[in-house]
Amino acid sequence: KAGVTQTPRYLIKTRGQQVTLSCSPISGHRSVSWYQQTPGQGLQFLFEYFSETQRNKGNFPGRFSGRQFSNSRSEMNVSTLELGDSALYLCASSAFPLPGQGADTQYFGPGTRLTVL
Amino acid sequence: AQTVTQSQPEMSVQEAETVTLSCTYDTSENNYYLFWYKQPPSRQMILVIRQEAYKQQNATENRFSVNFQKAAKSFSLKISDSQLGDTAMYFCAFIPNTGNQFYFGTGTSLTVIP
Repeated sequence: KAGVTQTPRYLIKTRGQQVTLSCSPISGHRSVSWYQQTPGQGLQFLFEYFSETQRNKGNFPGRFSGRQFSNSRSEMNVSTLELGDSALYLCASSAFPLPGQGADTQYFGPGTRLTVL
Repeated sequence: AQTVTQSQPEMSVQEAETVTLSCTYDTSENNYYLFWYKQPPSRQMILVIRQEAYKQQNATENRFSVNFQKAAKSFSLKISDSQLGDTAMYFCAFIPNTGNQFYFGTGTSLTVIP
């Protein structure tokens, strides 16, 4: 099976612009989670989608949004970019059943390195 | 609230030696899953090992094994016969059986010295 793919791998934007990152999960996986990783803050949870519904959201401003399509592919969008948004954005997929039915391992993509100038 | 704590920001070990990375967590859940992930300089997060809380037997994967102490809420990772390729950031993670969000520790940077 192909792994989790993320596009683009590298992105350079300027303050005030917006950006869209894409994540294709492992085939058959219905849950997609997004994380922001920075040297100072570690791995910060952004949000999780399952069957096109956002089930969980981390503590990030409304400039960060996401969605999931019927084929489980997911996108995240950051509007009005700030310098502090420079980070590695990781996507992870899981063959999650519904809560209470047992969790499953998350498999990560290679990440998108976003640099905001 | 669910939290995961890794108290060792950095560690080093001589090649071929054994090293143990610590992780503690806090939860009121009884059923949950614990993971160790490795993130080498390439930044690709790789699953190292997984443990189900209801299993008393400690998980092992080749040179990697865990010491799971449920009562103490401790989940340490032991790497035997350390290799240069083990140099990476290691993250401990937790998810309750009833939840759908993973909780990660802040990571331990491990350097294997030749």
